[in-house]
Amino acid sequence: EAGVAQSPRYKIIEKRQSVAFWCNPISGHATLYWYQQILGQGPKLLIQFQNNGVVDDSQLPKDRFSAERLKGVDSTLKIQPAKLEDSAVYLCASSAGQDLRPLHFGNGTRLTVT
Amino acid sequence: AQSVSQHNHHVILSEAASLELGCNYSYGGTVNLFWYVQYPGQHLQLLLKYFSGDPLVKGIKGFEAEFIKSKFSFNLRKPSVQWSDTAEYFCAVTLGDSWGKLQFGAGTQVVVTP
Repeated sequence: EAGVAQSPRYKIIEKRQSVAFWCNPISGHATLYWYQQILGQGPKLLIQFQNNGVVDDSQLPKDRFSAERLKGVDSTLKIQPAKLEDSAVYLCASSAGQDLRPLHFGNGTRLTVT
Repeated sequence: AQSVSQHNHHVILSEAASLELGCNYSYGGTVNLFWYVQYPGQHLQLLLKYFSGDPLVKGIKGFEAEFIKSKFSFNLRKPSVQWSDTAEYFCAVTLGDSWGKLQFGAGTQVVVTP
């Protein structure tokens, strides 16, 4: 089966600019996650979707970050405006359900904010 | 605060040496425990998991981990490493019956020299 697809792989922007990341989960996976991995740290959950609804966005900095999954398939994560501390790898993961089913991670998008 | 701690940030060892990576967590209640691995240039992959039952769990590629509830620990072991085990290893925890809201440790970079 095809894996979780993310684009772009790399992005460099200046602070105060906006940026968007795209994720295409594994076909049929209802649950989708966005994680942020800052250099030297483990991934941190930003938001969880079940189909096109948000299950948990408690750790999403909502003043600058937004995410959507309009048709319950692809998802986009946006940052506007970006700050230096947003430099990180943004990982998308999907699973067949919220229960005890494995997560499949994409390769991530590496964001550098200068 | 709830956390996952990995004892070493970097480990360097020779082929055929034994590997043990420490992981401690500070959550109460029912936890699910995971070790993920990220090989250079690849996505995060599940090595092994513990939900319940036998506290000694075996994963892929000869890895195993032992859950010691009294010590809040879930250490990863491999008796004899290979050069191909060079990777970053992450311990992670979820609570209750969820796979997805993973709380990761900071990771341990393991380098195996020929």
